[in-house]
Amino acid sequence: DIQMTQSPSVLSASVGDRVTLSCKASQNINKNLDWYQQKLGEAPKLLIYFTNNLQTGIPSRFSGSGSGTDYTLTISSLQPEDVATYYCYQYNSGPTFGGGTKLELK
Amino acid sequence: EVKLQQSGDELVRPGASVKMSCKASGYTFTDYAMHWVKQSPGQGLEWIGTIIPLIDTTSYNQKFKGKATLTADKSSNTAYMELSRLTSEDSAVYYCARSFGGTTDYWGQGVMVTVSS
Repeated sequence: DIQMTQSPSVLSASVGDRVTLSCKASQNINKNLDWYQQKLGEAPKLLIYFTNNLQTGIPSRFSGSGSGTDYTLTISSLQPEDVATYYCYQYNSGPTFGGGTKLELK
Repeated sequence: EVKLQQSGDELVRPGASVKMSCKASGYTFTDYAMHWVKQSPGQGLEWIGTIIPLIDTTSYNQKFKGKATLTADKSSNTAYMELSRLTSEDSAVYYCARSFGGTTDYWGQGVMVTVSS
């Protein structure tokens, strides 16, 4: 199984900050990676698909990058409504999710 | 509008089974696969398995083989998941999610299963 490791597990940031979340795969996943946002009590929402493609309706402050085993989700200017847990998800082989990064406001 | 409407929350006894549904609307049911995902209380997300309704093919996370059974009814655009021999470890929220090429773009609202005597 491909293991997905997200860091940090908890991130505190201020409104307006540039925020970077990381996801590392245990082997090359060929950019077959999505990012999801989950707010408390809600289902996950797709933000970014295939590493760097913004899902329809998602604000442009969200962006993704990466290749091989290392991937990043960036929020260019943190907004209060971005408080959530973020998960990476690989579907290169036997889909697996990362453990999540909980994003809080400082 | 794409919508995945899941069945209601369940309270079930240990050792019993539960079958939940996921009714799809707003798209052609057979054009997409359906994933099922588990979220234990306060925990992350686990892929349980996938069904391709067009060809009735399933694939499972090894961890859930023998625990989960995925089916689909093309006539009613509904996917089902049955969980058997329930224990407290199966208490969780279960989601269905539409998938194309691996990406899951729409999710159901989730079914909370509570296993308790």
